[in-house]
Amino acid sequence: QKEVEQDPGPLSVPEGAIVSLNCTYSNSAFQYFMWYRQYSRKGPELLMYTYSSGNKEDGRFTAQVDKSSKYISLFIRDSQPSDSATYLCAPRVAGGFKTIFGAGTRLFVKA
Amino acid sequence: DTGVSQNPRHKITKRGQNVTFRCDPISEHNRLYWYRQTLGQGPEFLTYFQNEAQLEKSRLLSDRFSAERPKGSFSTLEIQRTEQGDSAMYLCASSSRKALDTGELFFGEGSRLTVL
Repeated sequence: QKEVEQDPGPLSVPEGAIVSLNCTYSNSAFQYFMWYRQYSRKGPELLMYTYSSGNKEDGRFTAQVDKSSKYISLFIRDSQPSDSATYLCAPRVAGGFKTIFGAGTRLFVKA
Repeated sequence: DTGVSQNPRHKITKRGQNVTFRCDPISEHNRLYWYRQTLGQGPEFLTYFQNEAQLEKSRLLSDRFSAERPKGSFSTLEIQRTEQGDSAMYLCASSSRKALDTGELFFGEGSRLTVL
């Protein structure tokens, strides 16, 4: 079993839709739950992160973690064509040196 | 621009040749990582440096791969006797000592290797 499982998609939605991206993980020691966004032919960049369970909102983006079910979600409200990218979940142990990435979900937002 | 810089951006080589990639991290970052990414997959950890010390190397990394970070500044990743299976994007990332918990990674744009 992989440490992080993520549906690679692709996921295609119309502009303005609410998008839900999800990951599951197996390591209960993970405490930080990062989301990176990767545009085509670019390196990933950190979008947002949460610590432990709960929700965190940043503009149109909401990250949610349920540690009891080891389930991570990223919601995008009012999706825009500029949101078209690959979204990578990346949980990690606090103070650990290594970040493990999911396979990434390719998102296409159609104008 | 003070971001992570990688060179060359694209390398095409024949099977059996050696290739070397260079990474210049953000200057004040003490941690440096190499990842490999293939189509449809997330970045896969290869190796990690803290300053000039290589502290971890993935078991997936064969002995044809070697990385260095002399003087804790730039890093090089060398692949000897390349194979077609080495074709991938090689990503370098750096991280600040101030981000010990989150380990926020700043990635370069990658070096794409094509082995013919």
